[in-house]
Amino acid sequence: EAGVVQSPRYKIIEKKQPVAFWCNPISGHNTLYWYLQNLGQGPELLIRYENEEAVDDSQLPKDRFSAERLKGVDSTLKIQPAELGDSAVYLCASSLVATIDTGELFFGEGSRLTVL
Amino acid sequence: AQSVTQLGSHVSVSEGALVLLRCNYSSSVPPYLFWYVQYPNQGLQLLLKYTSAATLVKGINGFEAEFKKSETSFHLTKPSAHMSDAAEYFCAVSGTGGFKTIFGAGTRLFVKA
Repeated sequence: EAGVVQSPRYKIIEKKQPVAFWCNPISGHNTLYWYLQNLGQGPELLIRYENEEAVDDSQLPKDRFSAERLKGVDSTLKIQPAELGDSAVYLCASSLVATIDTGELFFGEGSRLTVL
Repeated sequence: AQSVTQLGSHVSVSEGALVLLRCNYSSSVPPYLFWYVQYPNQGLQLLLKYTSAATLVKGINGFEAEFKKSETSFHLTKPSAHMSDAAEYFCAVSGTGGFKTIFGAGTRLFVKA
């Protein structure tokens, strides 16, 4: 079974440029998460989708970040314009659990962003 | 509200020695608790989880953790460390109230030959 796939693995851009990250969850997983992981920190939730609906985006900085999950499968996270402080690893995860959050999260390898 | 505190950002042990990584949680509802491991340049992988069944939970690679409600702890242990255990370990909590998994800051485990 294929795991969660993310691309690109690494991205270097200059500040004020746009950037987009793509995630393909495990087949059949209806819940998809985007997490931000700063150096030396644990992952912090940016947005959670159940199917195509964003059910928790309270931590997403909406002035520059946007996300979409068309058809309830793949998802894209966009930053425009990027700032120096956005340098981090962006993790995508998926799970089967849509109600009580007791399920295991399956993570992709992450997309490491460096903003110069 | 829920939170997780991992005591010690770095732990160093000798190969063959006991591994003990500490985690304390705060939760206003019965918690579900997890330990994840992250190897360099990889995503997180579940080691084990507690979901209100047995308080002693066994996971992969010889790790186990014990849920102690009175101490609000969920410490991770392994009797004998192996070089391949060197990684970052994250404790996490979730519950029925928020559908959100909260991660601790992580503990980096170093294993000396």
